[in-house]
Amino acid sequence: GNSVTQMEGPVTLSEEAFLTINCTYTATGYPSLFWYVQYPGEGLQLLLKATKADDKGSNKGFEATYRKETTSFHLEKGSVQVSDSAVYFCALSDIAGANNLFFGTGTRLTVIP
Amino acid sequence: SAVISQKPSRDICQRGTSLTIQCQVDSQVTMMFWYRQQPGQSLTLIATANQGSEATYESGFVIDKFPISRPNLTFSTLTVSNMSPEDSSIYLCSVVWSGRSSYEQYFGPGTRLTVT
Repeated sequence: GNSVTQMEGPVTLSEEAFLTINCTYTATGYPSLFWYVQYPGEGLQLLLKATKADDKGSNKGFEATYRKETTSFHLEKGSVQVSDSAVYFCALSDIAGANNLFFGTGTRLTVIP
Repeated sequence: SAVISQKPSRDICQRGTSLTIQCQVDSQVTMMFWYRQQPGQSLTLIATANQGSEATYESGFVIDKFPISRPNLTFSTLTVSNMSPEDSSIYLCSVVWSGRSSYEQYFGPGTRLTVT
């Protein structure tokens, strides 16, 4: 079946530090992979995505590369800001069905000045 | 992308009562879903809202507890029936949007429900 295992938090970093949030997946087919972000008091927003192996998704300075050989989709950012404080969710979907998203448990990131 | 709104944004309800949550999309979409996010937890799919037919429920969720309507391609409602404190969660609707090369799922802002 499909599942996502995500690095547990919370994660606390100083401003301008390097961020990595690990995400690995199990899937029966060839899933699409996503990172969603949930800022305090807000709904989920799509941050970035990758639809096939070796694709790199990027947005707002965040990047993640679809690694089929390691079944991973780690989120990285070179220099975090206080405004990046949020909960980050890794997710996968069966692109053929374009339906149910399987979410990881979420990682809470706090960036301190 | 689609713009999704939900009503109410939050509510506090007494146990044993029911609450209906509305989800409105600014474009016609084929696939619409309802998720639940319990406090401190990730999202769990409740059901797929099918236009013109009964919703498709995931394991652990039943129509009597979470009746869903989908009268057209831009609107859906989720009712949380006979509520108990365990139903306190954020309820989110989402839609699948077909981009240039792939599908993406977008979420509404959520309805924060507290049952006392």
